[in-house]
Amino acid sequence: AQSVTQLGSHVSVSEGALVLLRCNYSSSVPPYLFWYVQYPNQGLQLLLKYTSAATLVKGINGFEAEFKKSETSFHLTKPSAHMSDAAEYFCAVSDHSGGYQKVTFGTGTKLQVIP
Amino acid sequence: GAGVSQSPRYKVAKRGQDVALRCDPISGHVSLFWYQQALGQGPEFLTYFQNEAQLDKSGLPSDRFFAERPEGSVSTLKIQRTQQEDSAVYLCASLRDHDTEAFFGQGTRLTVV
Repeated sequence: AQSVTQLGSHVSVSEGALVLLRCNYSSSVPPYLFWYVQYPNQGLQLLLKYTSAATLVKGINGFEAEFKKSETSFHLTKPSAHMSDAAEYFCAVSDHSGGYQKVTFGTGTKLQVIP
Repeated sequence: GAGVSQSPRYKVAKRGQDVALRCDPISGHVSLFWYQQALGQGPEFLTYFQNEAQLDKSGLPSDRFFAERPEGSVSTLKIQRTQQEDSAVYLCASLRDHDTEAFFGQGTRLTVV
């Protein structure tokens, strides 16, 4: 079984401040890990994904995440928050054991950016 | 179109009514997923298609839920005798292949009253 836990359902940061969204995973096999962003009334958009290559993954919009096996973590960061980053962010895991991406999502973290 | 299209965007159903939700995937995409996203929750897997074959329906919450993709393109999620707990956003995602990026539609928000 696989799962992800996102710490903090709401995070507020000031514009220009560091963004840190936390995610811990559980998987019985080497995982594929994802971060998705969801803007209001929109579908999910892939920010970045980890598939066992480099542990530091760079994504779109200046976001990056680091896979730490020892901590079973995949936290999402961005050095400087922009107002347009306000959205809900989902961490997700897929084990590909069935030959396809059966993705399990976390409960999401809403990011508020304060001017 | 350029992306995954879902219709209707919003659906209000009376309890006990049957509903059908449509997903138009990106042309040529082999894989298609349906997810259910309850308010304040992350999406939860419902079912997976590879072309017209439904390879995994383990996430369908009851036998009132049925999905099909008869020609390997458009998919329909049908919910019979809707209940209030079925109220959620239903998301469809398509992938060019089983191991490529998933593209999500905007979802259908179903409200059962």
